[in-house]
Amino acid sequence: NAGVTQTPKFQVLKTGQSMTLQCAQDMNHNSMYWYRQDPGMGLRLIYYSASEGTTDKGEVPNGYNVSRLNKREFSLRLESAAPSQTSVYFCASSEVGLWGTDTQYFGPGTRLTVL
Amino acid sequence: QKEVEQNSGPLSVPEGAIASLNCTYSDRVSQSFFWYRQYSGKSPELIMSIYSNGDKEDGRFTAQLNKASQYVSLLIRDSQPSDSATYLCAVNEVTGGGNKLTFGTGTQLKVEL
Repeated sequence: NAGVTQTPKFQVLKTGQSMTLQCAQDMNHNSMYWYRQDPGMGLRLIYYSASEGTTDKGEVPNGYNVSRLNKREFSLRLESAAPSQTSVYFCASSEVGLWGTDTQYFGPGTRLTVL
Repeated sequence: QKEVEQNSGPLSVPEGAIASLNCTYSDRVSQSFFWYRQYSGKSPELIMSIYSNGDKEDGRFTAQLNKASQYVSLLIRDSQPSDSATYLCAVNEVTGGGNKLTFGTGTQLKVEL
């Protein structure tokens, strides 16, 4: 089991460029998440997908779009990158466990720099 | 906006000592609480979850939950240099669209030889 995989690992963009971050999980989880992590800000939820075919905004969705392509894959798109989107992006997945709770498992992250 | 508060540290403890990490949360209806460890440049990994008031022990780790006071803590006994990392507290929120976690900003732990 690879768990949660993300591509690319590193990316440098110029302001205004677009790109898609890819995420896949092989744990048959229903729920998937995209976070960004900035120094001193902790992990902040961008978008999440509770199940295939559904997506919802998190805390910081502006400037991003997502696609839940199938149960395994959840992509994050930056249409017009801005320097404020320089961050480390983590994808996570989870399955509802006891008492309706989730344990989230994280991918290795994508380190994005926007110049 | 639901909040999860942690002291950013760094918290320095000598090798072999007990490290105590604390977290408070604002949402009284939260039912599930998690501690993640994150090494520098790596992704968060789950080390403990707790759902009921009281203590939960797993090896050298003990999670403590007090819902009345809205705090959760993590004790690390016999601290080792390999425990040096940032520890993230996370609180579960059940919504109509599924479950979400709100994370604290993390406490940096340094275990000194």
